[in-house]
Amino acid sequence: KQEVTQIPAALSVPEGENLVLNCSFTDSAIYNLQWFRQDPGKGLTSLLLIQSSQREQTSGRLNASLDKSSGRSTLYIAASQPGDSATYLCAVQGSQGNLIFGKGTKLSVKP
Amino acid sequence: DAGVTQSPTHLIKTRGQQVTLRCSPKSGHDTVSWYQQALGQGPQFIFQYYEEEERQRGNFPDRFSGHQFPNYSSELNVNALLLGDSALYLCASSYRRGANEQYFGPGTRLTVT
Repeated sequence: KQEVTQIPAALSVPEGENLVLNCSFTDSAIYNLQWFRQDPGKGLTSLLLIQSSQREQTSGRLNASLDKSSGRSTLYIAASQPGDSATYLCAVQGSQGNLIFGKGTKLSVKP
Repeated sequence: DAGVTQSPTHLIKTRGQQVTLRCSPKSGHDTVSWYQQALGQGPQFIFQYYEEEERQRGNFPDRFSGHQFPNYSSELNVNALLLGDSALYLCASSYRRGANEQYFGPGTRLTVT
């Protein structure tokens, strides 16, 4: 049974810092991995999708890497801003299409 | 280009009642998946609809049922509501079944009292 773990559960940093969020999964037989952002009480916004054949994806200040063999992904956020404050969710997708999520990392960026 | 829409935004029901939530997929998408997100948890997969049939189901009881219409929109029905059904219900759409990128709606917040 696939399980996804995100560390840390919460993170507080001063504005301008670079930071790394971690995601691990137990079954390496995935098709892709997605990182999402969720603001309080809101839906999910897709940030980056990494296909299983890829090693990383970049969008603006965000960079996500994937090491399928070791069951790990990281989301790197450069030069953090208060507007980055949100919960970040990692999800893996198998061949059937359903997403399996971690519990998320709650990020707070202080001005 | 309209994204995924869900209605209603919020809903309050009493234990034992029934509820119907609605979802319209992103333009061009034909597959709808439903997820339940309890407070402080990640979303849990309920089921997926494609070509008006339930194609895949997560670990949820039969009280949870759904439907997909010819225009690809979908409904989630929950019968005999329990306090534990209080959650944010998220709808996601994608093009075709399988491992394709899913786009999420804003969710429906269900409170059971």
